[in-house]
Amino acid sequence: SQQGEEDPQALSIQEGENATMNCSYKTSINNLQWYRQNSGRGLVHLILIRSNEREKHSGRLRVTLDTSKKSSSLLITASRAADTASYFCATDAYKAAGNKLTFGGGTRVLVKP
Amino acid sequence: DTGVSQDPRHKITKRGQNVTFRCDPISEHNRLYWYRQTLGQGPEFLTYFQNEAQLEKSRLLSDRFSAERPKGSFSTLEIQRTEQGDSAMYLCASSLEDTRQPQHFGDGTRLSIL
Repeated sequence: SQQGEEDPQALSIQEGENATMNCSYKTSINNLQWYRQNSGRGLVHLILIRSNEREKHSGRLRVTLDTSKKSSSLLITASRAADTASYFCATDAYKAAGNKLTFGGGTRVLVKP
Repeated sequence: DTGVSQDPRHKITKRGQNVTFRCDPISEHNRLYWYRQTLGQGPEFLTYFQNEAQLEKSRLLSDRFSAERPKGSFSTLEIQRTEQGDSAMYLCASSLEDTRQPQHFGDGTRLSIL
């Protein structure tokens, strides 16, 4: 079963605009990760944020984490057509062995040129 | 830099046949994971190995499924007597044994059951 929900399920924006998507989860975590998946391909790791971190940046990506609300957001700034993909958050449960990941249902992002 | 590779990329088979997939992880990674992803959903955990030991199996992994990692390097996932519901993308990932390190995924094997 999925760990939580991602919101929105789908997002359509113009190139150059910002895209924001949110993820909620249910249990205490070690880390939260965001992945991108292009159609028919595997998942590409974007950012890992640890449970004791609140914000992290990587290039045009900004991730926030609020453990009190069990939620995270991913912001893509100045979007490009190449950002068109599905984006998933994934968590590994606190103190669970093996760091297996539990994924949300994903946000499908379409960036129109 | 060699990433995680999976073979085959696509497999089409008739219901009732057996299939086997292979995953080659990043060479220095001692953890290897299998996930299954159905259309429009996020991946779901199936099983993982630390070196050659299979340490956890999901309830999704029925007795028709078996996974091995005989020398702690590549892994195989076999599905016996395939059913329509087995149609999915099977994803392999590998990582170091460090909670601060991400899992790296292959491009998956897409299984279609006729």
